[in-house]
Amino acid sequence: GAVVSQHPSRVICKSGTSVKIECRSLDFQATTMFWYRQFPKQSLMLMATSNEGSKATYEQGVEKDKFLINHASLTLSTLTVTSAHPEDSSFYICSAKQEGNQPQHFGDGTRLSIL
Amino acid sequence: SQELEQSPQSLIVQEGKNLTINCTSSKTLYGLYWYKQKYGEGLIFLMMLQKGGEEKSHEKITAKLDEKKQQSSLHITASQPSHAGIYLCGADPGTYKYIFGTGTRLKVLA
Repeated sequence: GAVVSQHPSRVICKSGTSVKIECRSLDFQATTMFWYRQFPKQSLMLMATSNEGSKATYEQGVEKDKFLINHASLTLSTLTVTSAHPEDSSFYICSAKQEGNQPQHFGDGTRLSIL
Repeated sequence: SQELEQSPQSLIVQEGKNLTINCTSSKTLYGLYWYKQKYGEGLIFLMMLQKGGEEKSHEKITAKLDEKKQQSSLHITASQPSHAGIYLCGADPGTYKYIFGTGTRLKVLA
């Protein structure tokens, strides 16, 4: 149980392109989803938290107009990197959490490479 | 702000050996989570500890949370190459957001 699917697993695109990453909880309802960014050999950095039906809460230093988050249903959240540039290249991971005293479950991550 | 420190940063052991990874918090933990990550992949949930003195086991992995709820250890018995990866502890500082330790890279030599 508690499976989170993240798609795509890898994206390579040109500078200026917008990229959408999907995060789905397959067998549970995720009241809260989280988006992280991970740099090589470093731990996870929380970018934003999204609750179904409400606006995402962004961490300090994360541009909300650059990283658009939508949590349209209890099983789907999307992260759109708008007008991506090479400095946006990174490994992005989502997680989903059920209501109550439950752990976060993570997707397999998306490796984004901007040329 | 709360910080999590993991030790050791990296570990190389011979297959069959036991090992321990530690996670120390600067403040009391409301919840402590252990995850395993393989390079370039997502995190696999291992265990959740919430009560002081709590201990949980799954297959050959045992995790403990001390009575003061500021330190946790992850112990692997008779390690195997499949145990290799990055082990991360994550803490719930009383909000819904986790903070993560810097990770312990484990390599198991066959």
